[in-house]
Amino acid sequence: KNEVEQSPQNLTAQEGEFITINCSYSVGISALHWLQQHPGGGIVSLFMLSSGKKKHGRLIATINIQEKHSSLHITASHPRDSAVYICAVRENTGNQFYFGTGTSLTVIP
Amino acid sequence: NAGVMQNPRHLVRRRGQEARLRCSPMKGHSHVYWYRQLPEEGLKFMVYLQKENIIDESGMPKERFSAEFPKEGPSILRIQQVVRGDSAAYFCASSWVGVTEAFFGQGTRLTVV
Repeated sequence: KNEVEQSPQNLTAQEGEFITINCSYSVGISALHWLQQHPGGGIVSLFMLSSGKKKHGRLIATINIQEKHSSLHITASHPRDSAVYICAVRENTGNQFYFGTGTSLTVIP
Repeated sequence: NAGVMQNPRHLVRRRGQEARLRCSPMKGHSHVYWYRQLPEEGLKFMVYLQKENIIDESGMPKERFSAEFPKEGPSILRIQQVVRGDSAAYFCASSWVGVTEAFFGQGTRLTVV
């Protein structure tokens, strides 16, 4: 069983749609990260959360520590948002990060 | 996160050769993490280093792989006698002492032919 589960694995949306990507985890954490990876590209850290909600532009990330769940929302999606979005958690008892397998998002014009 | 520099970006090695991957952390960061992303798979933790110390290498293969983070210079991930199964993207991340946020590099894509 993976420590971090993401859904959906693949997502296709029309430009302008509201998008939600979900992440559930099974370990105690000190922080949760949402990362973005473009095809063949590097990894960009979008958010780091330990509680509540953060917003940056059209991106919103929320976390519910009790339910061990986080969501990444994209409002007014755009083709340039097409990428793989990865949820990663830092375990609070050690040094490891655990990663979800990613959600591949394609936004169609 | 542009401050974490990895080189080379792409590396091609023949089977049996050695691969050396470099990671220069952001200025002031003393913690480095290495991750491997195999084709069609998610990122997997390999090793966590502080300056001159390996803190956690539980994700490192037992043979052929080693990592170091010297007092001066970049962190090095070394793979000896590479095999085709080592072909992957290798990412490093860095952080400050006691800070949970980590910044990622662009990765090195290793291809073993």
